[in-house]
Amino acid sequence: ETGVTQSPTHLIKTRGQQVTLRCSSQSGHNTVSWYQQALGQGPQFIFQYYREEENGRGNFPPRFSGLQFPNYSSELNVNALELDDSALYLCASSAEGLGEKLFFGSGTQLSVL
Amino acid sequence: QKEVEQNSGPLSVPEGAIASLNCTYSDRGSQSFFWYRQYSGKSPELIMSIYSNGDKEDGRFTAQLNKASQYVSLLIRDSQPSDSATYLCAVMPTGGGNKLTFGTGTQLKVEL
Repeated sequence: ETGVTQSPTHLIKTRGQQVTLRCSSQSGHNTVSWYQQALGQGPQFIFQYYREEENGRGNFPPRFSGLQFPNYSSELNVNALELDDSALYLCASSAEGLGEKLFFGSGTQLSVL
Repeated sequence: QKEVEQNSGPLSVPEGAIASLNCTYSDRGSQSFFWYRQYSGKSPELIMSIYSNGDKEDGRFTAQLNKASQYVSLLIRDSQPSDSATYLCAVMPTGGGNKLTFGTGTQLKVEL
C-alpha cells in the first residue's frame, strides 16, 4: 500500500461525456502527477501539480485538465471523451527530498463506449 | 526512436533462474532511472532506483546502469513464479521534475 488513493476504481462513459477522477496523495507529499496507461503500453505523463500549480504537461490536449487542492489532493477532468481515452488513469504522489520516487495509486479504469 | 525502449517479451525463465531485463533510453542527459513491477490489472510498484553507473543490489534484484551506452538493466536472481509480471523501465529526463518517461514494459513469465 502506497497511501495514494484514487476514486472511482472503474468508470464507464460514452463518447462526448465528461469525467472527473480523484486522487488523495500520500501524507506529506505535495506533488501529484497523472499518467494515462493504455492497454499494453507504459504509463504516459499527462501533467503534474505542485503546491496547487500546474508544473509541467505532457502531450495531451487541453480537454485534459486538472486541479490540486490545499490538502494536496487532486482531480483530473477530461471533457468531450473519445474512444481512445479508454485507459487506466494513474495518480502518483511524491515529495521533495525523496529522490524523485513516485508512489502510484491503484488507478481508475475508464472505459469510453 | 522511442525515448525508452524495452523488449515487450514475453520473457520466459524457469523457476530459480536469473531473469535479465533490458532497457535503452535516448536522452543522454537523463540522471535517474527506475524499475517498476506491474501485476496484471494493478498499478506500478517501484522496485529499484539507480542514479550512478554500475550495479545496485537489493535482495534478489540488481539494477545495472551504463550511461555511456544509455543502457539500464534489471537482474532478478532465483526467479519465483510470483515474479511473473510486467517490468517497466522509467527514466527521468533532463530537467527532472519527477516526470517519468516509461518504456512499454517487458512481460516476465517464471515457469515451474
